[in-house]
Amino acid sequence: AIRMTQSPSSFSASIGDRVTITCRASQDINTYLAWYQQKPGKAPELLIYAASTLQSGVPSRFSGSGSGTDFTLTIGCLQSEDFATYYCQQFHSYPLTFGQGTTVEIK
Amino acid sequence: QVRLVESGGGVVQPGRSLRLSCAASGFIFNTYGIHWVRQVPGKGLDWVSVISYDGSNKEYADSVKGRFTISRDNSKNTVYMQMNSLRADDTAVYYCAKSALEWPYLDYWGQGILVTVSS
Repeated sequence: AIRMTQSPSSFSASIGDRVTITCRASQDINTYLAWYQQKPGKAPELLIYAASTLQSGVPSRFSGSGSGTDFTLTIGCLQSEDFATYYCQQFHSYPLTFGQGTTVEIK
Repeated sequence: QVRLVESGGGVVQPGRSLRLSCAASGFIFNTYGIHWVRQVPGKGLDWVSVISYDGSNKEYADSVKGRFTISRDNSKNTVYMQMNSLRADDTAVYYCAKSALEWPYLDYWGQGILVTVSS
């Protein structure tokens, strides 16, 4: 199975900050990568697919980049509603695998 | 709008069985694959299984292979997960999620249902 590793596991940030989360795949997955946001007690929501394509309705402050094994999710200007846990997921091959998650907390 | 609603969860003893259902609406059900993903409370997401649009292709995580069976009834817009020989480490919130058309990323999720395996 392809292993997905996110960093950091958690961090604190302030409203208005630009934040970046990284995700590394254990093998080349081209751009078969998605990012999800999950708030406490809620289901995950799709933010980005194909590494950099924004899902319809997702604010443009979210962006994704990368290919191969290294990927990033960037939130351009952190808003209060962005404090959540973020997961990357590879869809290059089965079994689908997720990163362990990155929790963005309020500083 | 797309809606996925899980049901059938609850408390079950180790070794027993449970069947989850995922009722879908708001999209052409027989065109899309459906996934199950689980999450131990406070932990990360763990993909479980997928079934293709017509039920002809199925994939499973190694952790559930041979114990869980995914199926669908396109006449009822419903996907099922039959879970046998349940273990304590199957305790989790189970989500069903709609697959995107061209690739298996998950574009819509249900609200989740809790399965607790405990004596």
